[in-house]
Amino acid sequence: KAGVTQTPRYLIKTRGQQVTLSCSPISGHRSVSWYQQTPGQGLQFLFEYFSETQRNKGNFPGRFSGRQFSNSRSEMNVSTLELGDSALYLCASSLGQGVPWNEQFFGPGTRLTVL
Amino acid sequence: DQQVKQNSPSLSVQEGRISILNCDYTNSMFDYFLWYKKYPAEGPTFLISISSIKDKNEDGRFTVFLNKSAKHLSLHIVPSQPGDSAVYFCAASALEYGNKLVFGAGTILRVKS
Repeated sequence: KAGVTQTPRYLIKTRGQQVTLSCSPISGHRSVSWYQQTPGQGLQFLFEYFSETQRNKGNFPGRFSGRQFSNSRSEMNVSTLELGDSALYLCASSLGQGVPWNEQFFGPGTRLTVL
Repeated sequence: DQQVKQNSPSLSVQEGRISILNCDYTNSMFDYFLWYKKYPAEGPTFLISISSIKDKNEDGRFTVFLNKSAKHLSLHIVPSQPGDSAVYFCAASALEYGNKLVFGAGTILRVKS
């Protein structure tokens, strides 16, 4: 069974630009969650999508948004990039319901650098 | 407000001995706990989980213990191997909060051969 894949693996952008990251979950998983990892804040929850609907949201500004498609693939968008958005963005997939509903399996991440 | 705490930034253990990683939490709503292992520039790898209805779960060399009254959990690795050297994260979730995982800051484990 293929794992969680994320593209691209590395991105360099400049302040003010926008970026879209992509995540393909494990086959059969309907929930996709996004996390940001920075040295200062650790791993922080951004949001979760289940069956194309945002089911849960963390404490990030509205510049961070996402969506999920009917095949469970998900995209995350960050608009008007700031230097502080430089981070490793991780996507995690899980069943989202049933048992074990919340065992989340992570992709390799996208390293975003904002200059 | 850090709801999940891993108070030991690092731990060094001799190969073959037991590694014990600790985690404390403050939110009594948490009902599901997970441990992840992470190498630099990679995503976390799921190791083992435990539901709040249990006090122990075992999978091979990994055992997680949960003490709900103390709001404390620990991960035991026996025997420790050099390949276990990585950052270990404790994470917690609550059914009421959906799929959101709240992570601790991580503990760096070094297994010396």
